[in-house]
Amino acid sequence: GAVVSQHPSRVICKSGTSVKIECRSLDFQATTMFWYRQFPKQSLMLMATSNEGSKATYEQGVEKDKFLINHASLTLSTLTVTSAHPEDSSFYICSARDRERGHQETQYFGPGTRLLVL
Amino acid sequence: DQQVKQNSPSLSVQEGRISILNCDYTNSMFDYFLWYKKYPAEGPTFLISISSIKDKNEDGRFTVFLNKSAKHLSLHIVPSQPGDSAVYFCAASAWPGTASKLTFGTGTRLQVTL
Repeated sequence: GAVVSQHPSRVICKSGTSVKIECRSLDFQATTMFWYRQFPKQSLMLMATSNEGSKATYEQGVEKDKFLINHASLTLSTLTVTSAHPEDSSFYICSARDRERGHQETQYFGPGTRLLVL
Repeated sequence: DQQVKQNSPSLSVQEGRISILNCDYTNSMFDYFLWYKKYPAEGPTFLISISSIKDKNEDGRFTVFLNKSAKHLSLHIVPSQPGDSAVYFCAASAWPGTASKLTFGTGTRLQVTL
């Protein structure tokens, strides 16, 4: 239970293009999802909190116009990296909370998306 | 300011023995703590958690201990198995509620040897 999927698992794109990453909660509804970024051999950095039906809350230093987040339903949040540049290459991971299962603060993570911008 | 610290970047343990991973935190508002296991190029997998009203939580081979006065928690894995080799992150949450966030440590790479 508490399965979170991400698509695509990896993507290679040209500099200047936009890339959309989907995060889905497969067996539960998630009013809140989170987007993280992980650089090699470093910890997970929270980018933003995605709230269903409202605007995302971005962490300090994260450009909201560059990383567009849409949480249109209780099972889907999307992260769009606009006008991607090589420095945006990273591992992006989403997570969601399942309020019906376990502790309300536990987040369940997707498998991640490896983005490489050429 | 690193509010959650895992001071040991790596740990090597023999199969069958106990693995002890440590985590320290500075924010006294943290009241819920979690451990995640992560393989390369995969998302973290939830292992075990503990609320600040407890000092121990056990689930199979995994036990988490919390020492609130020392702001320290540890994860014990007994017995350690080769499949436990991964990076382990501790995480903490400050405000239970609708929008609380997890703060992660920097991770400890556990290597279980034969």
